[in-house]
Amino acid sequence: AQSVAQPEDQVNVAEGNPLTVKCTYSVSGNPYLFWYVQYPNRGLQFLLKYITGDNLVKGSYGFEAEFNKSQTSFHLKKPSALVSDSALYFCAVREPLSGNTPLVFGKGTRLSVIA
Amino acid sequence: DTEVTQTPKHLVMGMTNKKSLKCEQHMGHRAMYWYKQKAKKPPELMFVYSYEKLSINESVPSRFSPECPNSSLLNLHLHALQPEDSALYLCASSPSRGLIQETQYFGPGTRLLVL
Repeated sequence: AQSVAQPEDQVNVAEGNPLTVKCTYSVSGNPYLFWYVQYPNRGLQFLLKYITGDNLVKGSYGFEAEFNKSQTSFHLKKPSALVSDSALYFCAVREPLSGNTPLVFGKGTRLSVIA
Repeated sequence: DTEVTQTPKHLVMGMTNKKSLKCEQHMGHRAMYWYKQKAKKPPELMFVYSYEKLSINESVPSRFSPECPNSSLLNLHLHALQPEDSALYLCASSPSRGLIQETQYFGPGTRLLVL
């Protein structure tokens, strides 16, 4: 069964500095990977996804993620953090099996950007 | 427009009450989902509808009863809930049959408190 791990519960970064939110995955076959962000008392907003092709995926709000098959990772990055980026970030994976496999989320990483 | 709407935003109900949550999307999506999210936890899939038919039920107790009256609307009927059912209930939709590469778009959620 597919799984995804976000090893950090909390990431703190100063405004203007680069940020990284880590994600590793475990699937059979090639994964489909997603990043979502959740602001307080809100639903999840889609940031980006990797399906196939270029390992560097660019998404919304200046975020990008790099798919690394050898390290089974899909870390979320942004060159310059904003205070408004402070939120809960979820990595998610789906396994390319037949049928409708569920989207499995990591436990989430809380990002705090400090002014 | 990638908007999924949910009503009500907040709901307080007693254990003997019957209530319903409503989800609506006008993006022409044919797959719709219900998730449950407890505080500081990732969303957990409850149900999936594909082309108005229930395709996945993740062993959800019968006190939760989903309904998909048409391709734009998804309801979750609640009856005899327990306090541990208090959570944020998220609705999502995706374009087609819930294919694994499709992005799921989430609504803002209904925050439910069961007394």
